[in-house]
Amino acid sequence: NAGVTQTPKFQVLKTGQSMTLQCAQDMNHEYMSWYRQDPGMGLRLIHYSVGAGITDQGEVPNGYNVSRSTTEDFPLRLLSAAPSQTSVYFCASRPGRSATQYFGPGTRLLVL
Amino acid sequence: GNSVTQMEGPVTLSEEAFLTINCTYTATGYPSLFWYVQYPGEGLQLLLKATKADDKGSNKGFEATYRKETTSFHLEKGSVQVSDSAVYFCALSGILTGGGNKLTFGTGTQLKVEL
Repeated sequence: NAGVTQTPKFQVLKTGQSMTLQCAQDMNHEYMSWYRQDPGMGLRLIHYSVGAGITDQGEVPNGYNVSRSTTEDFPLRLLSAAPSQTSVYFCASRPGRSATQYFGPGTRLLVL
Repeated sequence: GNSVTQMEGPVTLSEEAFLTINCTYTATGYPSLFWYVQYPGEGLQLLLKATKADDKGSNKGFEATYRKETTSFHLEKGSVQVSDSAVYFCALSGILTGGGNKLTFGTGTQLKVEL
């Protein structure tokens, strides 16, 4: 199993550009989430999904969109990048009956 | 709401020293508690967990006990190694209204172990 994979590892954007951060898991986990990590703030939940076709907002959803068309994939879209979205983004998944989440290696995003 | 408070870093120790990283939490109900570790340039890895009061999680020589009376989940290791240098995050798992769960993280504690 590859676990949770994320692409790209690093990306530089200009303000106003859009992009999609990819996340995939091969563990057949029902639940998937996106977090952002900022210095001195730990990780904060952006969006999450409890299954294919079902998504909901976390604590910092503004400026981001998600969709879940398959169990395996959970892409995060930045519609119009802003410098405040400079961060490290982590995707995570977990099986239905466990509270333990498994994290991907992260995507480091710099918005100029 | 839920919150996690962990000691400020960085913490610098000599190899073979005893490690304690304090973590306290505020939560409703009975959350599961976790320690995650992040090595330089990598993602978060689950280090250990405890799902109910008085449970002790352990892994790779690290231990933490779920203390409901003091709302704490302190991380300890008897003898640290240089390879333990990383950032350690305490977290708790809470239920979201949409049916998923959310990890609430502390701000992380950087540990540096020197020879």
